[in-house]
Amino acid sequence: NAGVMQNPRHLVRRRGQEARLRCSPMKGHSHVYWYRQLPEEGLKFMVYLQKENIIDESGMPKERFSAEFPKEGPSILRIQQVVRGDSAAYFCASSPNRGNTEAFFGQGTRLTVV
Amino acid sequence: QQPVQSPQAVILREGEDAVINCSSSKALYSVHWYRQKHGEAPVFLMILLKGGEQKGHDKISASFNEKKQQSSLYLTASQLSYSGTYFCGTENAGGTSYGKLTFGQGTILTVHP
Repeated sequence: NAGVMQNPRHLVRRRGQEARLRCSPMKGHSHVYWYRQLPEEGLKFMVYLQKENIIDESGMPKERFSAEFPKEGPSILRIQQVVRGDSAAYFCASSPNRGNTEAFFGQGTRLTVV
Repeated sequence: QQPVQSPQAVILREGEDAVINCSSSKALYSVHWYRQKHGEAPVFLMILLKGGEQKGHDKISASFNEKKQQSSLYLTASQLSYSGTYFCGTENAGGTSYGKLTFGQGTILTVHP
């Protein structure tokens, strides 16, 4: 039973480029959460999605960031026109239900903007 | 609002015990505990649901005081493998908060031989 799969594990982008981060939830999980972690800091909630729906995007910056979780395929976190401050580890977690249940994390994508 | 963890850091010798606390200013639906080692993903330890229950496995257990909106993680007879940063994630009652976790700033636990 594969866990939460994220790719790529490491991503280097030049300022102004686009970054696309992918997350395939655990089998049977239809709820996906994206978190950002800056070096030596905690996990900051970004967005919560269920298949084809954004449930809560209160942690997403208003500009340049978007997320989707289509009916088929992985969830995508997209960052347009990246800046140095976007450099961080981006983690995705999934759960089988909304609330009241365990959420399991993927290995993360470490984004470096040069 | 972010839950507050204490202490910020703990240093132990193998075999010693530790307690990590997590407090919230908001009504809680559940509390989740994770351990993260440097450069790795957070690993799920346990979830505590509203009702004040206590859970545990092996030598790690936790309690949830719903009235005080607090949870505590207990590590007994610590092992070297317990080293890492411990995060509590709180799920607040009501609205769109249901389902998403807000994490504390973390407690760094170091176990020495």
